[in-house]
Amino acid sequence: GAVVSQHPSWVICKSGTSVKIECRSLDFQATTMFWYRQFPKQSLMLMATSNEGSKATYEQGVEKDKFLINHASLTLSTLTVTSAHPEDSSFYICSARAGQTSTDTQYFGPGTRLTVL
Amino acid sequence: GDSVTQMEGPVTLSEEAFLTINCTYTATGYPSLFWYVQYPGEGLQLLLKATKADDKGSNKGFEATYRKETTSFHLEKGSVQVSDSAVYFCALSDLGRGAQKLVFGQGTRLTINP
Repeated sequence: GAVVSQHPSWVICKSGTSVKIECRSLDFQATTMFWYRQFPKQSLMLMATSNEGSKATYEQGVEKDKFLINHASLTLSTLTVTSAHPEDSSFYICSARAGQTSTDTQYFGPGTRLTVL
Repeated sequence: GDSVTQMEGPVTLSEEAFLTINCTYTATGYPSLFWYVQYPGEGLQLLLKATKADDKGSNKGFEATYRKETTSFHLEKGSVQVSDSAVYFCALSDLGRGAQKLVFGQGTRLTINP
């Protein structure tokens, strides 16, 4: 149980195009989903937190107009990288949590590797 | 702000060796503490957690004890296996921050040689 999937697992796009990444909780309802970015050999950096049906909360320094997050249902959140540039190339990871407290486990997706040419 | 510091890697050990990966934290509140593991090509998996002082989390032979007095949550295993080769992340979650988000350490890459 508690499986989180991401699609696609990898994507290559041209500079200036937009890319949408999906995150799904397959066997539970996720009240909260998180989006992280991981650079090579570095830690995960939280980009934003989204609760179903409400606007995402972005971390300081993350451009909300560039990284659009939609959490339309309890099992699906999407991250759209708009007008992607090579510096946006990274590993994007989502996680999902069923409960409301910090002791509730976050379940992580396998990640999506984005390469912008 | 809240932060987590892990011992720098990479760490290379022989099979059956004793493992310790140090983790210390700073937090304004009273955080929950976690160890996550990332196997090659896979997403992060929760390895163990502790939610209050002196709690010991354990799983798959790994243990970590929540030490409030030293603000530490060191990961230990008595006898490592080749299959334990992975990247290990220490993390905290501080309800007091409101966002209930995880703050990760930089990760420690562990390689176990047969």
